[in-house]
Amino acid sequence: QQQVKQSPQSLIVQKGGISIINCAYENTAFDYFPWYQQFPGKGPALLIAIRPDVSEKKEGRFTISFNKSAKQFSLHIMDSQPGDSATYFCAAGYSGTYKYIFGTGTRLKVLA
Amino acid sequence: DAGITQSPRHKVTETGTPVTLRCHQTENHRYMYWYRQDPGHGLRLIHYSYGVKDTDKGEVSDGYSVSRSKTEDFLLTLESATSSQTSVYFCAISESSGANTEAFFGQGTRLTVV
Repeated sequence: QQQVKQSPQSLIVQKGGISIINCAYENTAFDYFPWYQQFPGKGPALLIAIRPDVSEKKEGRFTISFNKSAKQFSLHIMDSQPGDSATYFCAAGYSGTYKYIFGTGTRLKVLA
Repeated sequence: DAGITQSPRHKVTETGTPVTLRCHQTENHRYMYWYRQDPGHGLRLIHYSYGVKDTDKGEVSDGYSVSRSKTEDFLLTLESATSSQTSVYFCAISESSGANTEAFFGQGTRLTVV
């Protein structure tokens, strides 16, 4: 129940294409869903986050779609660029705590 | 990296030896965390701290201990290193507890146990 399942493990997209990464969770007590971006040799950095009271959140080229009934959420990267090549982690957390459960990561490569 | 310094950045150690990793922050954030990152497992919480001398276990705490004697420093000790503890270790900090709280990560320490 504590797991967050992330897919795919790796993804190759052409420049200008749409990158889609999916995550699924079991525990309905989760109420905060951040996405982290990690470049090689660096620590993860917060990219965008959503709470389950909204179905979509957009920041620039990055959009989170949230399906509460299906217990799934996804990251869409529009107009993908080579600079977006990184590993992306979804996570889930609870209000009132300070611990996240992370997905296993997706390595994205955007071809020039 | 939000004023977080991890040291050392790289370390090779022998099985059975104790190892201490240090996380130093200049942000005066109350909460500090140690994660390990392994292929196929993502990031897993080892221990966390919610104040000076206040620490608790995460999901993979066996074989690890922590100490926090000052707000700015959070130490992770491998009491007797094993090959299964070969990993990349990340320290993170956050200003407050609860959801909607961004965690800031350091650059990581790559530890190899031979």
